[in-house]
Amino acid sequence: DTGVSQDPRHKITKRGQNVTFRCDPISEHNRLYWYRQTLGQGPEFLTYFQNEAQLEKSRLLSDRFSAERPKGSFSTLEIQRTEQGDSAMYLCASLTPKETQYFGPGTRLLVL
Amino acid sequence: DQQVKQNSPSLSVQEGRISILNCDYTNSMFDYFLWYKKYPAEGPTFLISISSIKDKNEDGRFTVFLNKSAKHLSLHIVPSQPGDSAVYFCAASEGDDKIIFGKGTRLHILP
Repeated sequence: DTGVSQDPRHKITKRGQNVTFRCDPISEHNRLYWYRQTLGQGPEFLTYFQNEAQLEKSRLLSDRFSAERPKGSFSTLEIQRTEQGDSAMYLCASLTPKETQYFGPGTRLLVL
Repeated sequence: DQQVKQNSPSLSVQEGRISILNCDYTNSMFDYFLWYKKYPAEGPTFLISISSIKDKNEDGRFTVFLNKSAKHLSLHIVPSQPGDSAVYFCAASEGDDKIIFGKGTRLHILP
């Protein structure tokens, strides 16, 4: 499968716990994006990487959120001390040379 | 401040007829526009895009029209099929920057 993959697909956690999601982009795509989607809304931009460099972070990304892309390939998004408001689908996308973002299947987070 | 607006939360269309989904934007710096389709519990799937230098792009049953002066774009699906039932997101970007999405329109194709 040469598409964008995300792991896990679903995560249920208790408030206050830390969670980490992983995204494997399409190989050779040097840009990787994270978005969050809540019910009734379109995906909202969180952050993006050009290779291993994190170039932009949305104000939605509080101090409890951190993202990394250490080797310029896969990326992780960690949420510390989760809150119920963090419940959402977290989407990863990578960018083709023609500037089209292709999305992974998402990780659905539920914070109890 | 919604830069990309989809004012119809839902749309029902008879199978075989044309589906027209509309989108308005406010940022005149947007130069690339996309439509994504999304099924529940899945990530958005890219459908079709258009650059601001064009006013029409066609791919099979899908055609996107762009009216820059009105800051409006639309997606036409013809003929509509049952498998087209999904949520459709209009999106826009400036260069290869982040994508700004609308809230989506849920399309129901009726038998």
